[in-house]
Amino acid sequence: QVQLQESGPGLVKPSETLSLTCTVSGDSISSSYWSWIRQPPGKALEWTGYISYSGNTNYHPSLKSRVTILAYTSTNQFSLKLTSVTAADTAVYYCARLNCVGDCHLDYWGPGTLVTVSS
Amino acid sequence: QSVLTQAPSASGTPGQRVTISCSGSRSNIGNNYVYWYQQLPGTAPKLLIYSNNQRPSGVPDRFSGSKSGTSASLAISGLRSEDETDYYCATWDDSLSGPVFGGGTKLTVL
Repeated sequence: QVQLQESGPGLVKPSETLSLTCTVSGDSISSSYWSWIRQPPGKALEWTGYISYSGNTNYHPSLKSRVTILAYTSTNQFSLKLTSVTAADTAVYYCARLNCVGDCHLDYWGPGTLVTVSS
Repeated sequence: QSVLTQAPSASGTPGQRVTISCSGSRSNIGNNYVYWYQQLPGTAPKLLIYSNNQRPSGVPDRFSGSKSGTSASLAISGLRSEDETDYYCATWDDSLSGPVFGGGTKLTVL
């Protein structure tokens, strides 16, 4: 059974950097694609970006200048960094596996972590 | 503004059949499989339907999916009170090279 767990600060100041880590068990970071999705309070899901098993990344165009996703094979984790945050970045952040066997879809999700941007 | 369009709300009475629709374009629904997620309050989305109409193990056969052209639908038959929650459609977008979601439909069981 694949399991994911997000971790990181729940409060970030405006203009600072949001940093989250996703710890994966039940699958290897090196064998699939891994993604971050966020959900502002009361709003819909938004794809943020993903990293492939080979380290290639793709980010949502609206966030491309501010986001970085990295993978750490030694600890089976991947991370999200979002710079210059504003209140609009307040959201529940989910990490998920992007299963691209055949067609690409998000099959396993972490429980999510709320990140609030506020001074 | 979500890439895929869903009605914000739907409702039905216990035992009834309800349908939730999702519309997109050729670059997303038109060219790719559609997925449906159920999101209970305060929890992560749970995969309900994959590859347009397939159910993961454990999902009751009351839930079914279909796709036609650039639109898709989720049908829930024999509506139950525990079905009252949010439902999201999703697919791959070839232009974005990433997943896209609908705005979500809040289902109310009257």
